[in-house]
Amino acid sequence: GENVEQHPSTLSVQEGDSAVIKCTYSDSASNYFPWYKQELGKGPQLIIDIRSNVGEKKDQRIAVTLNKTAKHFSLHITETQPEDSAVYFCADRGSQGNLIFGKGTKLSVKP
Amino acid sequence: GAGVSQTPSNKVTEKGKYVELRCDPISGHTALYWYRQSLGQGPEFLIYFQGTGAADDSGLPNDRFFAVRPEGSVSTLKIQRTERGDSAVYLCASSLAGPNNEQFFGPGTRLTVL
Repeated sequence: GENVEQHPSTLSVQEGDSAVIKCTYSDSASNYFPWYKQELGKGPQLIIDIRSNVGEKKDQRIAVTLNKTAKHFSLHITETQPEDSAVYFCADRGSQGNLIFGKGTKLSVKP
Repeated sequence: GAGVSQTPSNKVTEKGKYVELRCDPISGHTALYWYRQSLGQGPEFLIYFQGTGAADDSGLPNDRFFAVRPEGSVSTLKIQRTERGDSAVYLCASSLAGPNNEQFFGPGTRLTVL
């Protein structure tokens, strides 16, 4: 079945540095790739998404890039802040709209 | 406005018992999803409702798990004869109709089976 691989599993950066998280997917028919942020004790929250008809999307300090040929997409956070510390999940979408998540990346931003 | 709510926030039960977990979706959202999240893992799909009907229940692990949504709004996930391996956070998400809309997640119910 469809599979999403995510790495690294943990990432520690200094405040102000950039963070990059990468994911690969297996279904070449996939066309929607969201990124979720999950804080402790809370449900995942959508932070940005990209559809297969574009290669990059930006929203302030967050950007996502998509390479359909290689079947991978990445999350880029610039000028990281302590409040960016959380677990980040990439996802693919199944045929019924259900999300298929990666295993997550725990990002720690050190002040 | 109100987001997705789930009750209870925590549930501790003994092996073999029956539990019900409730999800109140965002008003007007006809699509509802249940996921299960084990420690250190991403959420895994369980079941999807479009309106009152279960459009896809392929993620339910076995027949001890069942979910209903009788009026097309509130949903209840039911687990019979709970096992220790059922311990996880159960997440509910809702969205507008159709697979292309953002899913909004609730805070989850943490289930612990002793």
